[in-house]
Amino acid sequence: DVKVTQSSRYLVKRTGEKVFLECVQDMDHENMFWYRQDPGLGLRLIYFSYDVKMKEKGDIPEGYSVSREKKERFSLILESASTNQTSMYLCASSLLTSYNSPLHFGNGTRLTVT
Amino acid sequence: AQSVTQPDIHITVSEGASLELRCNYSYGATPYLFWYVQSPGQGLQLLLKYFSGDTLVQGIKGFEAEFKRSQSSFNLRKPSVHWSDAAEYFCAVAAGEYGNKLVFGAGTILRVKS
Repeated sequence: DVKVTQSSRYLVKRTGEKVFLECVQDMDHENMFWYRQDPGLGLRLIYFSYDVKMKEKGDIPEGYSVSREKKERFSLILESASTNQTSMYLCASSLLTSYNSPLHFGNGTRLTVT
Repeated sequence: AQSVTQPDIHITVSEGASLELRCNYSYGATPYLFWYVQSPGQGLQLLLKYFSGDTLVQGIKGFEAEFKRSQSSFNLRKPSVHWSDAAEYFCAVAAGEYGNKLVFGAGTILRVKS
């Protein structure tokens, strides 16, 4: 079974802090994704990566950056956290760069910015 | 751009009753469609997917969905709901150049009453 592990279940940070959310997958997947989940809005794609050191903006990249130095790890970075970034963050991975490759999700990191 | 609409934010059904969750998509070509389920405190799990062929697809946990091109719909059904089906359900459509990104609907929260 594919395992996607998000390092923190809950995080509380202060406004202006630099925040790192970490995600690791154990199945040599090509693609990794960061989504943000908010009530009534569903999941919105922040960034994704289809290879090491490669990244592409999703639908809501403003205020975020990402890093993928190793294939198994994909980090989401909030350069200067703001209260409107309080949300649930979900990491996902998929084997291939194809519609036919389902996404596998981690359990999420609930971030609160005060 | 691709989009997904789930008209019902909340649905409550009695245990043993049938269930239908609605999903409408917007996409010019043949869509690749998915249903995911999120149990409380968990990540998303793939229930079923439609790529082509038979418009009635079977998934895990006794769920099925029917693709209707004329109505731009991909509704999820289950003939008899169990209390353990209480969760949030997301419909999604594949997007992007390679179809490896998912665009999600806002989700439908299912409550099951005994």
